Amino acid sequence: NAGVTQTPKFRVLKTGQSMTLLCAQDMNHEYMYWYRQDPGMGLRLIHYSVGEGTTAKGEVPDGYNVSRLKKQNFLLGLESAAPSQTSVYFCASTIAGKETQYFGPGTRLLVL
Amino acid sequence: RKEVEQDPGPFNVPEGATVAFNCTYSNSASQSFFWYRQDCRKEPKLLMSVYSSGNEDGRFTAQLNRASQYISLLIRDSKLSDSATYLCVAHAGNNRKLIWGLGTSLAVNP
Repeated sequence: NAGVTQTPKFRVLKTGQSMTLLCAQDMNHEYMYWYRQDPGMGLRLIHYSVGEGTTAKGEVPDGYNVSRLKKQNFLLGLESAAPSQTSVYFCASTIAGKETQYFGPGTRLLVL
Repeated sequence: RKEVEQDPGPFNVPEGATVAFNCTYSNSASQSFFWYRQDCRKEPKLLMSVYSSGNEDGRFTAQLNRASQYISLLIRDSKLSDSATYLCVAHAGNNRKLIWGLGTSLAVNP
C-alpha cells in the first residue's frame, strides 16, 4: 500500500518556467490538499479538493492552479515560477467524515 | 495573532525526562484537535487525536481545556527517537481544513 506519493521529489526551476507537481493516493480518499511549508511560516494550504472534478482555494492560492480529473490524483501547477515559490510542497488526503490527513513525502522546489 | 500558537522551543531534555508542550487556539468553534510529529525533512505524521478532554497512548498524553482554549502534549520517559518537531493542529470545521501551528522542536539528548 503506497499511501500518498508525490512526483517529483526535488526540482530546480528558473524564474518564469512552468511545472506540474503530481500527487497520487491509493486509499480512495475523497479529500485532497496541497500545502507549502516554509521556515517560520508553518504549513499553509494552497488549494484543496473535496472530490473528483472540484477544487477550491486555500490560504495562499496565488500563482498556483490545480486540477482533480481523477479521484486518486491531484495536480498542482505553477504557470510562471517565481523565487518566492521556493518551498517544500506537501500533498495530503483524507477520507470524507474524518479529519486525519495523510501526507506524501514532499517535493522540494527551488526557483532560481 | 495566529489561530494556533505554540512555543517554538527548542526543548532540550535528557533521555528519560518528562516534557510538556502547550498550544493555544483562537477559534472557539474548533471541535477537534491533533498532534502531528514531523521529523527533519519528512512529512508530518499523526501522533494523537484529541476530541474530548484528552487522550492517552503509551508514553504520550494529550489534554484539551476548552475553557482556556489550549491543548497540551505530555511525553513521559523521553527517548532519543522522540526528537522531532511537534505540530499542534485545530480542525477548522469546514471541508476538513486544518489550522496548523508552527511547531515545537524537541531534542532528546543521551
